[in-house]
Amino acid sequence: GQQLNQSPQSMFIQEGEDVSMNCTSSSIFNTWLWYKQDPGEGPVLLIALYKAGELTSNGRLTAQFGITRKDSFLNISASIPSDVGIYFCAGQNPNSGNTPLVFGKGTRLSVIA
Amino acid sequence: NAGVMQNPRHLVRRRGQEARLRCSPVKGHSHVYWYRQLPEEGLKFMVYLQKENIIDESGMPKERFSAEFPKEGPSILRIQQVVRGDSAAYFCASSPIQGSSNQPQHFGDGTRLSIL
Repeated sequence: GQQLNQSPQSMFIQEGEDVSMNCTSSSIFNTWLWYKQDPGEGPVLLIALYKAGELTSNGRLTAQFGITRKDSFLNISASIPSDVGIYFCAGQNPNSGNTPLVFGKGTRLSVIA
Repeated sequence: NAGVMQNPRHLVRRRGQEARLRCSPVKGHSHVYWYRQLPEEGLKFMVYLQKENIIDESGMPKERFSAEFPKEGPSILRIQQVVRGDSAAYFCASSPIQGSSNQPQHFGDGTRLSIL
């Protein structure tokens, strides 16, 4: 089946630093999504990308949909302690409609104050 | 989490018992998805349902697992004769009617199932 490779697996950064994580796939997707999961909770949608090459921001978060449709990255600028959590990328298959999501294994972010 | 309600939040069962997990989607959403998350892993798709129909169950084990989304009431994920390997967090997501483009899935807070 389709798999997403997400890197890095974990990051330890100082408060105020910028963060970059990415996701690659062996096959194309027509939608890329980035979610954040806090302990004991469900994934919360951060950014949704629908067009190859699209660059979208949400506050301090910026994500891009790669032009090959096989990758995406997420940047967090000026990290703060509440950015701690697990960040998941997810791709949605090329078929139209509400198809299931394929998730990466996550990037675990720790912020040192 | 965007209105998707799951219960119970935590469920403990002994091996051989049945587990029933419930999911009420966001009001107005007619598409429900179930995902399973093992520790230190991403979410894995199990089953996709619309009202009274199973659309895609390719991620669901062939035995002991079943899902429904009746005309009235929540979606139910049922696991019969549970085993230790069923211990995981089970998440439900919902989205609006098909044909509405650019409508991402919103997740509930999950049910954490522990098998003794």
